[in-house]
Amino acid sequence: ETGVTQSPTHLIKTRGQQVTLRCSSQSGHNTVSWYQQALGQGPQFIFQYYREEENGRGNFPPRFSGLQFPNYSSELNVNALELDDSALYLCASSLFEASGMSYEQYFGPGTRLTVT
Amino acid sequence: GQNIDQPTEMTATEGAIVQINCTYQTSGFNGLFWYQQHAGEAPTFLSYNVLDGLEEKGRFSSFLSRSKGYSYLLLKELQMKDSASYLCAVTDSNYQLIWGAGTKLIIKP
Repeated sequence: ETGVTQSPTHLIKTRGQQVTLRCSSQSGHNTVSWYQQALGQGPQFIFQYYREEENGRGNFPPRFSGLQFPNYSSELNVNALELDDSALYLCASSLFEASGMSYEQYFGPGTRLTVT
Repeated sequence: GQNIDQPTEMTATEGAIVQINCTYQTSGFNGLFWYQQHAGEAPTFLSYNVLDGLEEKGRFSSFLSRSKGYSYLLLKELQMKDSASYLCAVTDSNYQLIWGAGTKLIIKP
């Protein structure tokens, strides 16, 4: 059973640029959630994808967008980067069942994004 | 609004016991998670409570009272490696995880 992987591990971008972060979910999981975590803070929910559709979104502007692919891997895209976008971006995969049962989320190692 | 409160920082002594509290106000409730996060690393799952009561798992235990919107994580026989942030998270009515800011636990020899 492979765990959650993310790429790249570190990234430096300039204000105004665009970035794509990638996540491969754990085998058997159908849901991917993306979080932004600033230093010393808890994760802030960006959005969640379930079966290739967005299944909930946090308080983030539209320049944060995402995709989930048939193999349940996912991408997070951020356009028009701002200095405040500098953070650790975490991807977490989980199994969500139609019955509503919620299971624990397994996190990837994160991507450290620095915007200069 | 949705809110999860935890103490910002706690200090305890190696070998002792510490209790980290979490109170929550969310739109619906479908379970409460505790995660451990070491500096610079991703959170790792510790426990899950959906019914009232105590769940014990080795040195770690987690308690839930849904009527009070309250949970605690109890760590026994503290070790230096337990120095980390402990995050409380609640699954709301939309099955989204709402996270607290975390409690930084400092263990002293």
